Amino acid sequence: DAGVIQSPRHEVTEMGQEVTLRCKPISGHDYLFWYRQTMMRGLELLIYFNNNVPIDDSGMPEDRFSAKMPNASFSTLKIQPSEPRDSAVYFCASSPYRGRGILQKNTEAFFGQGTRLTVV
Amino acid sequence: AQSVTQLGSHVSVSEGALVLLRCNYSSSVPPYLFWYVQYPNQGLQLLLKYTSAATLVKGINGFEAEFKKSETSFHLTKPSAHMSDAAEYFCAVSDLTGFQKLVFGTGTRLLVSP
Repeated sequence: DAGVIQSPRHEVTEMGQEVTLRCKPISGHDYLFWYRQTMMRGLELLIYFNNNVPIDDSGMPEDRFSAKMPNASFSTLKIQPSEPRDSAVYFCASSPYRGRGILQKNTEAFFGQGTRLTVV
Repeated sequence: AQSVTQLGSHVSVSEGALVLLRCNYSSSVPPYLFWYVQYPNQGLQLLLKYTSAATLVKGINGFEAEFKKSETSFHLTKPSAHMSDAAEYFCAVSDLTGFQKLVFGTGTRLLVSP
């Protein structure tokens, strides 16, 4: 498997423009996570999906941010309109889910290489 | 709510010296604990994880961590640092609800000098 694939790797856009970040999770993984990494705030969980359904979007900073997962192999994170303070590295991660408690295995998340977003 | 605290945003060691990166967790339920490493311009890679089996966990690249419930700690160690270990290290916690939501610490940057 190629791992979690994110595109683009780098994005530079002007303030006010719409930005769409893309993610292809590892095949067979039930969970998909979007994280944002900045110097000031570290790694923040924005939203995560289970079986394509958004479970927790409490980390999404504002209504300008939206995320979708139309199928098991694709997710997008959209910022509209973008602002300079949105500049960060955005990571997508996926994770399998197998059982609960002591039967739970492979609980770690696998990360993509990230998209470095710069809003000028 | 679960959280982790990493003491020290930067740790400097000499090549060949012991590496110790500290992580303390807070959790109302038995936690799963993880250490991830991030090399420059890369995503996060799992080093090791604790999932309530053995309290001493061995990971990749010679790293290990010990879960100490009495101290609510999960410190990362390596007996002898290599230059290639220079990176940022993140401790993370999740619970057993099945949702596998990871909460990360603020990270510790390891600097290794010759």
